[in-house]
Amino acid sequence: VQLVQSGAEVKKSGASLKVSCQTSGYTFSGYYIHWVRQAPGQGLEWLGYINCNAGDAKYAQNFQDRVTMTRDKAISTAYMELSRLSSDDTAVYYCARTQYWNGYGNWFDPWGQGTQVTVSS
Amino acid sequence: QAVLTQPPSVSGTPGQRVTLSCTGGSSNIGTHYDVHWYQQVPGTAPKLLIYGSTNRPSGVPDRFSGSKSGSSASLVITGLQPEDEADYFCQSYDSRLSGYVFGPGTKVTVL
Repeated sequence: VQLVQSGAEVKKSGASLKVSCQTSGYTFSGYYIHWVRQAPGQGLEWLGYINCNAGDAKYAQNFQDRVTMTRDKAISTAYMELSRLSSDDTAVYYCARTQYWNGYGNWFDPWGQGTQVTVSS
Repeated sequence: QAVLTQPPSVSGTPGQRVTLSCTGGSSNIGTHYDVHWYQQVPGTAPKLLIYGSTNRPSGVPDRFSGSKSGSSASLVITGLQPEDEADYFCQSYDSRLSGYVFGPGTKVTVL
């Protein structure tokens, strides 16, 4: 099982970002893909997830108006788009897989290698 | 204020037993939601260490163990090794936020 993310990005404030997460080694439509970010020297922050089968997504309250998650089943790839970037969005963005909701809260495994995003003014 | 709290740092000598704590509340750990633990070596992605509060994925050494009681959870490293020096994050689900939450992380230093 592997999750391979797209490369580092440098963006201007106000721009949008799109990161990809290409998966392999398992049945793509049988799982969710989540997105988690980590600002420099900080902890982990959950952005939301997409159901890779149905295509519906759920977003964290803090990002509901700025994030869009999509997937392409034909190439087993998930995407995360974040709009209206600011310097506060400078972080490493990770994708991670979970099983379908189990009623007790799922765990993230495995994780992608991370995508460094730098936002400058 | 973070939904889950962890001590910023813990240190120990090789072979020592160290305990990392993770404290939540009635909308996450204190209800039926599980706690999961991740190890992150600086510059790399987090790696699953404990899932479902007490279970170890295959390949994780048995010196790592997890437990949960009330609104808190613990990760114990029995027989600390130099390669265990890393950041450790706990994670759960929060019903009030309707989303996943992480603790701020504990840095483990091997003296």
